[in-house]
Amino acid sequence: EPEVTQTPSHQVTQMGQEVILRCVPISNHLYFYWYRQILGQKVEFLVSFYNNEISEKSEIFDDQFSVERPDGSNFTLKIRSTKLEDSAMYFCASSPRLGYNEQFFGPGTRLTVL
Amino acid sequence: AQSVTQPDIHITVSEGASLELRCNYSYGATPYLFWYVQSPGQGLQLLLKYFSGDTLVQGIKGFEAEFKRSQSSFNLRKPSVHWSDAAEYFCAVGAQNNAGNMLTFGGGTRLMVKP
Repeated sequence: EPEVTQTPSHQVTQMGQEVILRCVPISNHLYFYWYRQILGQKVEFLVSFYNNEISEKSEIFDDQFSVERPDGSNFTLKIRSTKLEDSAMYFCASSPRLGYNEQFFGPGTRLTVL
Repeated sequence: AQSVTQPDIHITVSEGASLELRCNYSYGATPYLFWYVQSPGQGLQLLLKYFSGDTLVQGIKGFEAEFKRSQSSFNLRKPSVHWSDAAEYFCAVGAQNNAGNMLTFGGGTRLMVKP
């Protein structure tokens, strides 16, 4: 069964450093998402992406964040200058089309900012 | 704005007992509703979804949920819990719009199963 994959599973970085989290969505899906879950808190929407541009973003997704689909398979989330409060589990998701469809989630990347 | 409340942070049930996890939502139109399960170290797996039609929906692993518009609820049920059901359960509401189809999640309910 096709799955969303994410790399790395764990990332430790120093405050102020740039990180790139990588995701490979399910191959025939067209919509891509990033969510995050700070330890002990809710899963929060960050951004959705379709047709090589951002469809929607939350207020969390500020100028420090960017997303890209650099090739036909990868979908990345970049945090330019990490802060302590960026420590969280980051989930990538994809869905085949907008509307009556669930989103398929990857296993997540745990980001720790020291 | 849409929101989801899961009133129970932790629930413990005995193996073989029935289970009901509560979910209340707030949304201005007909919601799309989902239940996801997260086992330790794993991603979010979809258990079931409600879009329209029959208000009692069946999902995987023997789970079902009932949409009650009058109560703004979408409670998850299972008649007989197995030890492998121990996990965290998330209710989510989705909104179709022209933009992005974001999901809004509740805070989750952690289920523990006693032997």
